[in-house]
Amino acid sequence: NAGVTQTPKFRILKIGQSMTLQCAQDMNHNYMYWYRQDPGMGLKLIYYSVGAGITDKGEVPNGYNVSRSTTEDFPLRLELAAPSQTSVYFCASSYPGQGEAEAFFGQGTRLTVV
Amino acid sequence: AQSVTQLGSHVSVSEGALVLLRCNYSSSVPPYLFWYVQYPNQGLQLLLKYTSAATLVKGINGFEAEFKKSETSFHLTKPSAHMSDAAEYFCAVSPLGFGNEKLTFGTGTRLTIIP
Repeated sequence: NAGVTQTPKFRILKIGQSMTLQCAQDMNHNYMYWYRQDPGMGLKLIYYSVGAGITDKGEVPNGYNVSRSTTEDFPLRLELAAPSQTSVYFCASSYPGQGEAEAFFGQGTRLTVV
Repeated sequence: AQSVTQLGSHVSVSEGALVLLRCNYSSSVPPYLFWYVQYPNQGLQLLLKYTSAATLVKGINGFEAEFKKSETSFHLTKPSAHMSDAAEYFCAVSPLGFGNEKLTFGTGTRLTIIP
């Protein structure tokens, strides 16, 4: 049982480059989330999805885009990388999505923008 | 808006000593409350959660937390620290009636265990 899988684990980008962070879950969860984690700041929600074809902004969506074409996959796109996007990114999923549900996290992608 | 405050960004305890990590929430209505743990280079995993069924909640690895409405607190404790408990711990809150998209995390407490 793989759970939530994120790729890549590490990436260095130059300013202005673009990339896609991949996230896949095999638990048939309808809710999926992208967070960023900065030192001393906890986790901030970037985008979330309540099911295939439905996405919505979280607390810090600027500079990012997402899509949800299948239940399993929820990629995060950075179009024009900026140093402020240097962070650790976590994908998570939950079922059914109510507030008391446990969120399952991937191992994270450490992104550095130089 | 819901929020949580974790007192102490770093806590050090000796092996075998009591672990106490503090969390206070702001809400007029008791929310759902969680403690997540993050081991080095790993994602977060759930330790325990409060969903109003019982005020004393037991979790994995010997941890427990007590919900105190009068103090708006949800402190995490473990009677005897083990070296394997070294990690970062996050308190989180989710308001009643909403989905997980409203889950708000505290800034975390890094726990160091002294041999």
